[in-house]
Amino acid sequence: AQSVTQPDIHITVSEGASLELRCNYSYGATPYLFWYVQSPGQGLQLLLKYFSGDTLVQGIKGFEAEFKRSQSSFNLRKPSVHWSDAAEYFCAVAVPNTGNQFYFGTGTSLTVIP
Amino acid sequence: NAGVTQTPKFQVLKTGQSMTLQCAQDMNHEYMSWYRQDPGMGLRLIHYSVGAGITDQGEVPNGYNVSRSTTEDFPLRLLSAAPSQTSVYFCASSRVGTPSYLVAGGNTEAFFGQGTRLTVV
Repeated sequence: AQSVTQPDIHITVSEGASLELRCNYSYGATPYLFWYVQSPGQGLQLLLKYFSGDTLVQGIKGFEAEFKRSQSSFNLRKPSVHWSDAAEYFCAVAVPNTGNQFYFGTGTSLTVIP
Repeated sequence: NAGVTQTPKFQVLKTGQSMTLQCAQDMNHEYMSWYRQDPGMGLRLIHYSVGAGITDQGEVPNGYNVSRSTTEDFPLRLLSAAPSQTSVYFCASSRVGTPSYLVAGGNTEAFFGQGTRLTVV
């Protein structure tokens, strides 16, 4: 069965520090990979996505993610975190040729301290 | 574009009551789905649809019914609400993308509604 693992339930970083959120997936072939962000009381907003090609993808708000096939990982990074980045982050996988069914990780909650 | 619209935003039900959560999208997306979000559980798929007239169960379908009579609408029905159904519900829609379509630059990410916070007492 497909699965998405976000091993860090909660991360706290200082404003201005770098950030890396981990995501691993379990799927036989390369799925479509996404990172979403959810601010309190809001829906989910797409940060970035990977389908094929360059394994380093750039997203909105200064985020980037790198697909590593050998590690089945799609980690999210940001070089300098802002207080407004405090939110819940979800990694997601969409399975090709299944009608685009999405699987989500359990999320990582990010706290930013001044 | 309105995107994905969910109503209501908040709802309180008594145990045993029934209600329908509405979801509409104006992007002509084939794929629509309902998730529930609970603390520490992420988003769990309840039901999904790959097109009008086609629905299927997700990970946690018990207690919920869906139908897809049009491309635009995908309502979620709770026939007899239970306290275990207290949650935040999200509707999402996306294109059903083939690999060649995506390589050509097509988008297939999921677009989400703002959510419905449901409390069953």
